[in-house]
Amino acid sequence: DTGVSQDPRHKITKRGQNVTFRCDPISEHNRLYWYRQTLGQGPEFLTYFQNEAQLEKSRLLSDRFSAERPKGSFSTLEIQRTEQGDSAMYLCASSPSAGEQFFGPGTRLTVL
Amino acid sequence: KQEVTQIPAALSVPEGENLVLNCSFTDSAIYNLQWFRQDPGKGLTSLLLIQSSQREQTSGRLNASLDKSSGRSTLYIAASQPGDSATYLCAVRFNSGNTPLVFGKGTRLSVIA
Repeated sequence: DTGVSQDPRHKITKRGQNVTFRCDPISEHNRLYWYRQTLGQGPEFLTYFQNEAQLEKSRLLSDRFSAERPKGSFSTLEIQRTEQGDSAMYLCASSPSAGEQFFGPGTRLTVL
Repeated sequence: KQEVTQIPAALSVPEGENLVLNCSFTDSAIYNLQWFRQDPGKGLTSLLLIQSSQREQTSGRLNASLDKSSGRSTLYIAASQPGDSATYLCAVRFNSGNTPLVFGKGTRLSVIA
Protein backbone atom coordinates (compact mmCIF):
# COMPACT_ATOMS: atom_id res chain seq x y z
CA ASP A 1 0.00 0.00 0.00
CA THR A 2 1.64 3.28 -1.08
CA GLY A 3 -0.86 5.67 0.51
CA VAL A 4 -0.67 7.66 3.74
CA SER A 5 -1.03 5.47 6.82
CA GLN A 6 -1.89 6.39 10.39
CA ASP A 7 -1.64 4.46 13.61
CA PRO A 8 -3.63 3.79 15.71
CA ARG A 9 -6.98 4.10 13.95
CA HIS A 10 -8.82 4.51 17.24
CA LYS A 11 -7.66 5.60 20.68
CA ILE A 12 -9.69 5.82 23.86
CA THR A 13 -8.00 7.43 26.82
CA LYS A 14 -8.82 8.95 30.15
CA ARG A 15 -8.57 12.65 30.76
CA GLY A 16 -5.08 13.66 31.83
CA GLN A 17 -3.28 10.87 30.00
CA ASN A 18 -0.76 11.43 27.21
CA VAL A 19 -1.31 10.01 23.74
CA THR A 20 0.89 9.75 20.65
CA PHE A 21 -0.18 9.24 17.05
CA ARG A 22 1.96 8.23 14.11
CA CYS A 23 1.71 9.14 10.43
CA ASP A 24 3.64 7.56 7.57
CA PRO A 25 3.42 9.73 4.43
CA ILE A 26 3.74 8.72 0.81
CA SER A 27 7.46 8.07 0.51
CA GLU A 28 8.41 10.68 -2.10
CA HIS A 29 6.37 13.49 -0.50
CA ASN A 30 8.44 16.12 1.32
CA ARG A 31 5.48 17.86 3.01
CA LEU A 32 3.46 16.42 5.86
CA TYR A 33 0.41 18.06 7.45
CA TRP A 34 -1.67 17.45 10.56
CA TYR A 35 -5.33 18.47 10.75
CA ARG A 36 -8.07 17.99 13.34
CA GLN A 37 -11.72 17.38 12.50
CA THR A 38 -14.69 17.46 14.84
CA LEU A 39 -18.16 16.18 14.02
CA GLY A 40 -19.93 18.17 11.33
CA GLN A 41 -16.93 20.40 10.66
CA GLY A 42 -14.26 20.51 8.00
CA PRO A 43 -10.69 19.66 8.96
CA GLU A 44 -8.73 22.43 10.69
CA PHE A 45 -5.01 22.88 10.15
CA LEU A 46 -2.68 22.14 13.07
CA THR A 47 0.87 22.10 11.72
CA TYR A 48 3.03 21.11 8.78
CA PHE A 49 6.56 19.98 7.99
CA GLN A 50 8.74 20.32 4.96
CA ASN A 51 11.18 17.48 5.30
CA GLU A 52 12.17 17.56 8.99
CA ALA A 53 11.50 21.28 9.51
CA GLN A 54 8.24 22.32 11.19
CA LEU A 55 7.31 25.40 9.16
CA GLU A 56 3.99 26.51 10.57
CA LYS A 57 1.83 25.92 13.62
CA SER A 58 -1.80 26.92 14.06
CA ARG A 59 -3.11 28.80 17.09
CA LEU A 60 -5.10 25.61 17.71
CA LEU A 61 -1.87 23.85 18.62
CA SER A 62 -1.64 24.61 22.33
CA ASP A 63 1.52 23.91 24.30
CA ARG A 64 0.07 20.51 25.22
CA PHE A 65 0.53 19.47 21.59
CA SER A 66 3.86 18.64 20.02
CA ALA A 67 4.73 17.24 16.63
CA GLU A 68 7.94 15.88 15.24
CA ARG A 69 9.20 14.55 11.95
CA PRO A 70 12.66 13.13 12.59
CA LYS A 71 14.68 12.46 9.45
CA GLY A 72 11.90 13.86 7.33
CA SER A 73 10.03 10.57 7.09
CA PHE A 74 7.23 9.57 9.50
CA SER A 75 5.73 12.05 11.94
CA THR A 76 4.34 11.82 15.45
CA LEU A 77 1.75 14.02 17.14
CA GLU A 78 1.70 13.93 20.93
CA ILE A 79 -1.00 15.36 23.16
CA GLN A 80 -0.11 15.72 26.82
CA ARG A 81 -2.64 15.89 29.66
CA THR A 82 -5.56 15.18 27.34
CA GLU A 83 -8.85 17.01 27.85
CA GLN A 84 -12.34 16.06 26.70
CA GLY A 85 -12.18 18.87 24.17
CA ASP A 86 -9.33 17.05 22.43
CA SER A 87 -11.77 14.35 21.28
CA ALA A 88 -11.69 14.50 17.48
CA MET A 89 -10.43 12.82 14.33
CA TYR A 90 -6.75 13.60 13.74
CA LEU A 91 -5.88 13.53 10.07
CA CYS A 92 -2.49 13.42 8.43
CA ALA A 93 -1.81 14.39 4.82
CA SER A 94 1.24 14.51 2.60
CA SER A 95 2.08 16.25 -0.65
CA PRO A 96 4.95 16.86 -3.02
CA SER A 97 5.78 20.51 -2.20
CA ALA A 98 2.67 22.65 -2.81
CA GLY A 99 0.86 20.03 -4.82
CA GLU A 100 -2.16 17.87 -4.25
CA GLN A 101 -2.60 16.69 -0.67
CA PHE A 102 -3.36 13.05 0.04
CA PHE A 103 -4.92 12.09 3.35
CA GLY A 104 -4.61 9.09 5.60
CA PRO A 105 -7.55 7.28 7.24
CA GLY A 106 -7.26 9.31 10.43
CA THR A 107 -6.97 8.51 14.13
CA ARG A 108 -10.17 8.91 16.12
CA LEU A 109 -9.42 10.04 19.66
CA THR A 110 -11.99 9.74 22.44
CA VAL A 111 -11.13 11.29 25.80
CA LEU A 112 -13.30 10.04 28.66
CA LYS B 1 -10.21 36.33 7.57
CA GLN B 2 -9.90 33.81 4.77
CA GLU B 3 -12.91 31.50 4.85
CA VAL B 4 -14.51 28.81 2.74
CA THR B 5 -18.27 28.28 2.70
CA GLN B 6 -20.24 25.40 1.25
CA ILE B 7 -23.95 25.56 0.57
CA PRO B 8 -26.15 23.59 1.00
CA ALA B 9 -25.03 21.70 4.08
CA ALA B 10 -27.02 18.66 2.93
CA LEU B 11 -28.58 17.57 -0.34
CA SER B 12 -30.75 14.60 -1.28
CA VAL B 13 -31.33 13.66 -4.93
CA PRO B 14 -32.78 10.69 -6.82
CA GLU B 15 -30.40 8.37 -8.63
CA GLY B 16 -29.48 9.47 -12.15
CA GLU B 17 -29.83 13.18 -11.51
CA ASN B 18 -27.07 15.63 -12.40
CA LEU B 19 -26.13 17.89 -9.51
CA VAL B 20 -23.95 20.83 -8.55
CA LEU B 21 -22.22 21.45 -5.25
CA ASN B 22 -21.15 24.99 -4.44
CA CYS B 23 -18.09 26.42 -2.73
CA SER B 24 -17.34 30.08 -2.11
CA PHE B 25 -14.22 31.70 -0.69
CA THR B 26 -13.55 35.15 0.69
CA ASP B 27 -10.24 36.00 -1.01
CA SER B 28 -9.58 35.76 -4.74
CA ALA B 29 -5.82 35.42 -4.14
CA ILE B 30 -5.78 31.65 -4.18
CA TYR B 31 -2.97 29.27 -5.07
CA ASN B 32 -5.10 26.20 -5.69
CA LEU B 33 -8.40 24.57 -4.74
CA GLN B 34 -9.05 20.92 -3.98
CA TRP B 35 -12.30 18.92 -3.78
CA PHE B 36 -12.45 15.90 -1.49
CA ARG B 37 -14.89 13.14 -0.70
CA GLN B 38 -15.28 11.80 2.84
CA ASP B 39 -17.25 8.70 3.78
CA PRO B 40 -18.57 8.48 7.38
CA GLY B 41 -15.77 7.93 9.89
CA LYS B 42 -13.13 7.77 7.17
CA GLY B 43 -10.31 9.92 5.86
CA LEU B 44 -10.50 12.22 2.84
CA THR B 45 -10.18 11.10 -0.76
CA SER B 46 -8.88 13.71 -3.19
CA LEU B 47 -11.17 14.12 -6.20
CA LEU B 48 -9.84 17.08 -8.17
CA LEU B 49 -7.18 19.77 -7.84
CA ILE B 50 -7.53 23.07 -9.69
CA GLN B 51 -4.57 25.42 -9.90
CA SER B 52 -5.27 29.15 -9.78
CA SER B 53 -4.44 29.48 -13.49
CA GLN B 54 -7.01 26.85 -14.48
CA ARG B 55 -10.75 27.24 -15.07
CA GLU B 56 -11.81 23.62 -14.70
CA GLN B 57 -10.75 20.02 -14.18
CA THR B 58 -12.54 16.81 -15.12
CA SER B 59 -12.32 13.26 -13.85
CA GLY B 60 -14.88 10.75 -15.07
CA ARG B 61 -18.36 11.95 -14.05
CA LEU B 62 -16.90 14.82 -12.03
CA ASN B 63 -16.18 18.32 -13.27
CA ALA B 64 -14.90 21.13 -11.07
CA SER B 65 -14.82 24.75 -12.15
CA LEU B 66 -13.06 27.76 -10.67
CA ASP B 67 -13.99 31.43 -10.93
CA LYS B 68 -11.51 33.41 -8.86
CA SER B 69 -13.03 36.80 -9.59
CA SER B 70 -16.35 35.82 -8.06
CA GLY B 71 -14.76 33.64 -5.37
CA ARG B 72 -16.60 30.49 -6.41
CA SER B 73 -16.02 26.89 -7.36
CA THR B 74 -18.56 24.27 -8.34
CA LEU B 75 -18.37 20.49 -8.40
CA TYR B 76 -20.65 18.97 -11.02
CA ILE B 77 -21.57 15.30 -10.66
CA ALA B 78 -23.20 13.71 -13.69
CA ALA B 79 -25.64 10.81 -13.55
CA SER B 80 -25.45 10.44 -9.77
CA GLN B 81 -25.35 6.97 -8.21
CA PRO B 82 -26.06 5.73 -4.66
CA GLY B 83 -22.32 5.09 -4.30
CA ASP B 84 -21.77 8.85 -4.64
CA SER B 85 -23.41 9.35 -1.23
CA ALA B 86 -20.79 10.97 1.00
CA THR B 87 -19.71 14.36 2.32
CA TYR B 88 -17.96 16.54 -0.25
CA LEU B 89 -15.40 19.03 1.06
CA CYS B 90 -13.93 22.04 -0.71
CA ALA B 91 -10.50 23.28 0.44
CA VAL B 92 -8.56 26.34 -0.65
CA ARG B 93 -4.88 27.12 -0.41
CA PHE B 94 -4.74 30.91 -0.23
CA ASN B 95 -1.93 33.23 -1.34
CA SER B 96 0.95 30.83 -1.92
CA GLY B 97 2.04 27.23 -1.97
CA ASN B 98 3.35 27.61 1.57
CA THR B 99 -0.03 28.07 3.24
CA PRO B 100 -2.21 25.24 4.54
CA LEU B 101 -5.59 24.24 3.13
CA VAL B 102 -8.64 26.03 4.52
CA PHE B 103 -11.70 23.77 4.45
CA GLY B 104 -15.40 24.39 4.18
CA LYS B 105 -17.76 22.40 6.39
CA GLY B 106 -18.82 20.19 3.52
CA THR B 107 -22.03 19.20 1.75
CA ARG B 108 -23.54 15.88 2.80
CA LEU B 109 -24.94 14.22 -0.33
CA SER B 110 -27.48 11.41 -0.33
CA VAL B 111 -28.34 9.75 -3.64
CA ILE B 112 -31.56 7.77 -3.33
CA ALA B 113 -32.01 4.63 -5.43
